[in-house]
Amino acid sequence: QSALTQPPSASGSPGQSVTISCTGTSSDVGGYNYVSWYQQHPGKAPKLMIYDVSKRPSGVPDRFSGSKSGNTASLTVSGLQAEDEADYYCNSYAGSNNYVFGTGTKVTVL
Amino acid sequence: QVQLMQSGAEVEKPGASVKVSCKASGYTFTGYYLHWVRQAPGQGLEWLGWINPNTGGTNYAEKFQGRVTMTGDTSINTAFMELSWLRYDDTAVYYCARELTGAMTFDFWGQGTLVTVSS
Repeated sequence: QSALTQPPSASGSPGQSVTISCTGTSSDVGGYNYVSWYQQHPGKAPKLMIYDVSKRPSGVPDRFSGSKSGNTASLTVSGLQAEDEADYYCNSYAGSNNYVFGTGTKVTVL
Repeated sequence: QVQLMQSGAEVEKPGASVKVSCKASGYTFTGYYLHWVRQAPGQGLEWLGWINPNTGGTNYAEKFQGRVTMTGDTSINTAFMELSWLRYDDTAVYYCARELTGAMTFDFWGQGTLVTVSS
């Protein structure tokens, strides 16, 4: 199972929006509506931000949104804030009780 | 509140085995699958597999089959991940994470356990 493809980096100024892509195949991202996104600050455990492609857990700001088209999922962070600077990872169910993570994207707030 | 508390850092030699624990609290241990994920230094997240604490059933990523064993002890609400035949590239932070039932996602994570493979 190959890792999902994400851009290594993305950036935006405070208040702007940034969108991160996550590209897989019809066997994972394209085959199931089970894409999640995690935020990870340095030295910390990942935190769930989006699940089931576009659902937000309780407590996650509505500045974070998710979508999917074909084999590519996307995470958009609107109204960027300093605390949004972190690494972001997508994850997808890949069938047969298996899961696969993305390569990760470092988001920088300029 | 849901908490997953992992055991402390380990240093092991190549070829040895390591066993990491993950103690659950704040929810019904047998009601949720537990997954294991690792992150090598400066690298991304890698999924290792899961255990169903209720039945003891497991599923491992193909890459780790034959080297990883996941178990659970319901009397102490603790899951274990044992990785054998350690190699230098197994050096990583190992996380346990709870699966949100029906959503194929990981809603709560342990703090991580650093496993260092060094001669």
